[in-house]
Formats: sequence, structure tokens, C-alpha cells
Amino acid sequence: DIQMTQSPSSLSASVGDRVTITCQASEDINNYLNWFQQKPGKAPKLLIYDASYLATGVPSRFSGSGSGTHFTFTISSLQPEDIAIYYCQQYDNLLFTFGQGTKLEI
Amino acid sequence: QVQLVESGGGVVQPGRSLRLSCSASGFTFSHYGMHWVRQAPGKGLEWVAFISFDGTDIYYSDSLKGRFTVSRDNSKNTVYLQINSLRTEDTSMFYCARERFDPWGQGTLVTVSS
Repeated sequence: DIQMTQSPSSLSASVGDRVTITCQASEDINNYLNWFQQKPGKAPKLLIYDASYLATGVPSRFSGSGSGTHFTFTISSLQPEDIAIYYCQQYDNLLFTFGQGTKLEI
Repeated sequence: QVQLVESGGGVVQPGRSLRLSCSASGFTFSHYGMHWVRQAPGKGLEWVAFISFDGTDIYYSDSLKGRFTVSRDNSKNTVYLQINSLRTEDTSMFYCARERFDPWGQGTLVTVSS
């Protein structure tokens, strides 16, 4: 199975900061990577698909990059409403795998 | 608007079975594959299963294969997840999601306890 390793597992930042989360795949997954945001008590929400494409309605301060095995998720200017847990997920094969999550706090 | 609503969760004893439902609206259900994903309390997300738009292709997590069965009824715009021989470690919120994991339902909580 493809393993996804996210880092850091938790992160504290200030409003306006640039925040970066990384996700490493155990093997080449091309660009088949999603990023999700999950707020407390809510279902996950798709933010980024195919590693770098913004999902519909998602603010442009969110972005993704990378290919192969190394991927990056960035919030260009952290807002209070961005407090959440963020997950990467690979879908290169038909056995989808999530990273362990990054808890973002202000 | 596109909406997914899960139901069927509850408190169940170990060893019993449960069938979860996910009712879809706001889109042509029969055109999309569907996923089930679970999340144990305070833990991360775990993909469970996928069923193709017509039900002919089905995939399960390797670690969960055997006790979980996904099915769908396109005439009812509903996808199902049958869970047999429930274990305490199956206690989770179960979510359904459309093919590209967008959107997700609000989840249904399954608690396995004697």
C-alpha cells in the first residue's frame, strides 16, 4: 500500500502568516493528490485536487504544488477561520490513502 | 444543491450487523461513483470503499476487506454500507462522499459497545 507521511503533525501560527504543510508519498503517485480541510465537528472539505488545482469556491490564499512523491500545501495569509485539521490523500491507485493530518492552531 | 445525507448509525453490540445509507440529491446520482470513509473518535480519516456509478466496480480497503459490503440503488439515489461482525474498534463516524471526494455528507456515528 502507498503510505502518506504528513508534516508537521501540528502547527501554531499567527493571523497573516504563511503556512506550509508537506506530504510525502512512499512511491510515485504522479499528481493524484487531494488536500482536505476538516473543522471541528464537521465533514472534510476538498480544497485542492490533482495536487495544485483549487476546488470550486475555495479562497485563493490556499494553494498546492508538487509531483511524484513530494507535495506542499500553502496558506498564503492565515485567517482565523482556517483553524482546522488538514489532510492529504493519494488516489494514484484505487486504494485511497490519507495522511495522518496536520492540526493548525492560531 | 448537491447534498449527501447519511443515516443508519447508532449504538450496536459487538458481533451484530448494521447497514448505513447515504441518500443523494441535487445531481444525477447514477453518473457518479461513491465512497465511504470512516473516522474513529479523535483520529484521522480512513478510506473504506468505493462503488462505481453502475455498481459494477467495487474496491475495499485491504485492511477492511471481508466484513464491509458496499452497494447502491440508483432508482433510490442511495448508496449503502453493510458492516458485519461489528467490533468495538469500528466505532467511528462514517461519511459518504461523491466520486472526487467532493462533497461529503455530514456523517453518521456508529458506536459499538456492549
